[in-house]
Amino acid sequence: QQQVKQSPQSLIVQKGGISIINCAYENTAFDYFPWYQQFPGKGPALLIAIRPDVSEKKEGRFTISFNKSAKQFSLHIMDSQPGDSATYFCAASIGTDKLIFGTGTRLQVFP
Amino acid sequence: GAVVSQHPSRVICKSGTSVKIECRSLDFQATTMFWYRQFPKQSLMLMATSNEGSKATYEQGVEKDKFLINHASLTLSTLTVTSAHPEDSSFYICSARDLKGTGELFFGEGSRLTVL
Repeated sequence: QQQVKQSPQSLIVQKGGISIINCAYENTAFDYFPWYQQFPGKGPALLIAIRPDVSEKKEGRFTISFNKSAKQFSLHIMDSQPGDSATYFCAASIGTDKLIFGTGTRLQVFP
Repeated sequence: GAVVSQHPSRVICKSGTSVKIECRSLDFQATTMFWYRQFPKQSLMLMATSNEGSKATYEQGVEKDKFLINHASLTLSTLTVTSAHPEDSSFYICSARDLKGTGELFFGEGSRLTVL
């Protein structure tokens, strides 16, 4: 119940395209859903986060869509750029408790 | 934004020795810090929650005598890998939450441990 399932494991997108990464959870007590970006050899950095009281949040080229009834949330990266090539992790937590991470998606954006 | 600093960023040690990794919150106080471990091309696995002034809470399967955590002040937590072995080689990442700010969880840059 503590798991967060993430797909796909890897994703190849052409420059300018849309990258979509999906996550699903079981624990309905989760109330905070962030997405992190990690470059090789670096710690993860927060990209965008959402709480269950909204269905969508957009920040620049990054959008989170949240479906509470389906217990799913996704990250959309619009106009994907080679600099977006990184590993992306979804996560979930209950309040300020520990974050549970998804398995990660390695995104490669080709010019 | 808030910054979490880890030191050292890389460490190589001989099997059987102990290694200490420091995690500092630079511009905010953190009563709670989290320690994660990450193997190559894998996700972050929570090892323990470090609580200032009290004992750390370890996740199931994590040996508390192997991975000693000390949270002596509101800005510093340390992870000591005792009697390190090659299988302890990994990327260790700490994080801290700025509870007085946005509540966001900030991550350090990670420490890569290689045990020979």
